Amino acid sequence: GAVVSQHPSWVICKSGTSVKIECRSLDFQATTMFWYRQFPKQSLMLMATSNEGSKATYEQGVEKDKFLINHASLTLSTLTVTSAHPEDSSFYICSARIVRGTLSYEQYFGPGTRLTVT
Amino acid sequence: AQKITQTQPGMFVQEKEAVTLDCTYDTSDPSYGLFWYKQPSSGEMIFLIYQGSYDQQNATEGRYSLNFQKARKSANLVISASQLGDSAMYFCAMREGPENSGYSTLTFGKGTMLLVSP
Repeated sequence: GAVVSQHPSWVICKSGTSVKIECRSLDFQATTMFWYRQFPKQSLMLMATSNEGSKATYEQGVEKDKFLINHASLTLSTLTVTSAHPEDSSFYICSARIVRGTLSYEQYFGPGTRLTVT
Repeated sequence: AQKITQTQPGMFVQEKEAVTLDCTYDTSDPSYGLFWYKQPSSGEMIFLIYQGSYDQQNATEGRYSLNFQKARKSANLVISASQLGDSAMYFCAMREGPENSGYSTLTFGKGTMLLVSP
């Protein structure tokens, strides 16, 4: 099946530092990857859509200069939280859309990264 | 208006009984897809079942079935013979646009927490 990994699975950082989260599609190529944010006991909120080789498309209200997304290859997208603050503490989940495959399984989700900013 | 509405914040069911989780949606797009995901406490999003707007029959996947009532814009998830391992958060999601759309994203509902008791 299609597997998506995220690294790290959890991270604690100090306020003001930057954190990079990687999202990889392990056994398929993904032209499009999505980044979501989930606060405790809340739903997933789409932050941005990234396409390989082009700039990410950010959802309204998401600061592009704070959440830097790079989709360097068909199997890797990274999210960098710059100058992190405690309010950025959240669960970040990526998903990947397969290039060709069963359309009903449109997005495959990674296991998520829990970020805590102290 | 919310695109996906899940009116049940929490549901309780006894082991081996069936349970229905409600989901209504709002879209003017004639082509769309509806998804159900399970999110256990570990955080990973597990795909359960998919229903396309043009599918004539209700989707089924093992113990999961989707009660699709297009005129009422509802897509309820039915879990038969509940198991203790079914205890988790369940999210309904919608993709607007055709399956092969390169830019379609998922919109999630707020989720329903299901607790299965022995």
